[in-house]
Amino acid sequence: GNSVTQMEGPVTLSEEAFLTINCTYTATGYPSLFWYVQYPGEGLQLLLKATKADDKGSNKGFEATYRKETTSFHLEKGSVQVSDSAVYFCARRGSARQLTFGSGTQLTVLP
Amino acid sequence: NAGVTQTPKFRILKIGQSMTLQCTQDMNHNYMYWYRQDPGMGLKLIYYSVGAGITDKGEVPNGYNVSRSTTEDFPLRLELAAPSQTSVYFCASSSGLAGDTWNTGELFFGEGSRLTVL
Repeated sequence: GNSVTQMEGPVTLSEEAFLTINCTYTATGYPSLFWYVQYPGEGLQLLLKATKADDKGSNKGFEATYRKETTSFHLEKGSVQVSDSAVYFCARRGSARQLTFGSGTQLTVLP
Repeated sequence: NAGVTQTPKFRILKIGQSMTLQCTQDMNHNYMYWYRQDPGMGLKLIYYSVGAGITDKGEVPNGYNVSRSTTEDFPLRLELAAPSQTSVYFCASSSGLAGDTWNTGELFFGEGSRLTVL
């Protein structure tokens, strides 16, 4: 079935550090891939997405590239800020437009 | 923009009680979903609906029921609450209009309902 494996956290970084959160998915077709972010006490918000191989999604300094050959969609940011502290979820699209989510990675950025 | 609205935001139930989590969306989306989020476990799909009058089970449907009488509303019913149902519940919606070929399946989420069963 569809599944998403996400790098386990928590991750703690200093401000301006480089961030990578790994995500791999099961290769059933060529699903759309997403990164969602959840700030404390809030629902999930779409951060970025990619719909086909080699697509790069980007938003707010975050990037992720759809790698078909490695079935990966790793999230990166060159310089994190304290305000990036949140839980990040990788997800893939399945049937009926539902999403299958990874287990989430808690990111804490220290000043 | 209201988007997806869930009520209540917090609720404490006793074992065996029943309750309904309400969810409504004003984006005319055909697809709606209920997920539960447990610590460190990501989100698990409970039920989903592809349109008014149509519902289907997700990954963890036991102990829950849903209905979809209108496009806007998708309530989740817990009949006999159990401690294992202590969780944060999220409702979400997605566009599924005919000819909506540009849509990539993005989900729009409500703010969540935190349920504790004691």
